[in-house]
Amino acid sequence: KNEVEQSPQNLTAQEGEFITINCSYSVGISALHWLQQHPGGGIVSLFMLSSGKKKHGRLIATINIQEKHSSLHITASHPRDSAVYICAVDRGGSEKLVFGKGTKLTVNP
Amino acid sequence: GAGVSQSPSNKVTEKGKDVELRCDPISGHTALYWYRQSLGQGLEFLIYFQGNSAPDKSGLPSDRFSAERTGGSVSTLTIQRTQQEDSAVYLCASSPWGGNYGYTFGSGTRLTVV
Repeated sequence: KNEVEQSPQNLTAQEGEFITINCSYSVGISALHWLQQHPGGGIVSLFMLSSGKKKHGRLIATINIQEKHSSLHITASHPRDSAVYICAVDRGGSEKLVFGKGTKLTVNP
Repeated sequence: GAGVSQSPSNKVTEKGKDVELRCDPISGHTALYWYRQSLGQGLEFLIYFQGNSAPDKSGLPSDRFSAERTGGSVSTLTIQRTQQEDSAVYLCASSPWGGNYGYTFGSGTRLTVV
């Protein structure tokens, strides 16, 4: 079993829909990261969380440390949000990021 | 520089040849990381530098892979006697001190071994 599990693996939505991507992890962490990867490979760091909730524009990330679960929400989705969203965790005491396999989001106009 | 710069962006090489991939981190970032993303696979950690030292090189898949960092800045990932299974996107990231300060990723080098 992977240490970081994401769901769904693929997600197709219509423009304007509310999107939720889930991430569960099984190890102790010091921080959890949400990353965005567009076609072509470049990765952008969206959020780094160790507790609670963060918001940036239409993106919201939450984490529940007790349940070892995080969610990434996108409100009023847009075709430009189409990308692969990756959850990654910093394991306590290690500089080695452990990655989920990613969620491929397609937002249709 | 303003971001993490990787070169080349694409590299096609013949099986058995050596390749060097370069990463130029954000100026002042002491931590530097190499990751690999194989086709259809998730990202996997290769090596972590703090300054010029590599406290964690546990992700290097074989002794054909090596990396160095000089002057606390530029890093080079070298793959000797390349194999087809080495084909992947190699990503570099840097951080001011370590992961708890967040990461900035480069655009990657797409390596194809033919």
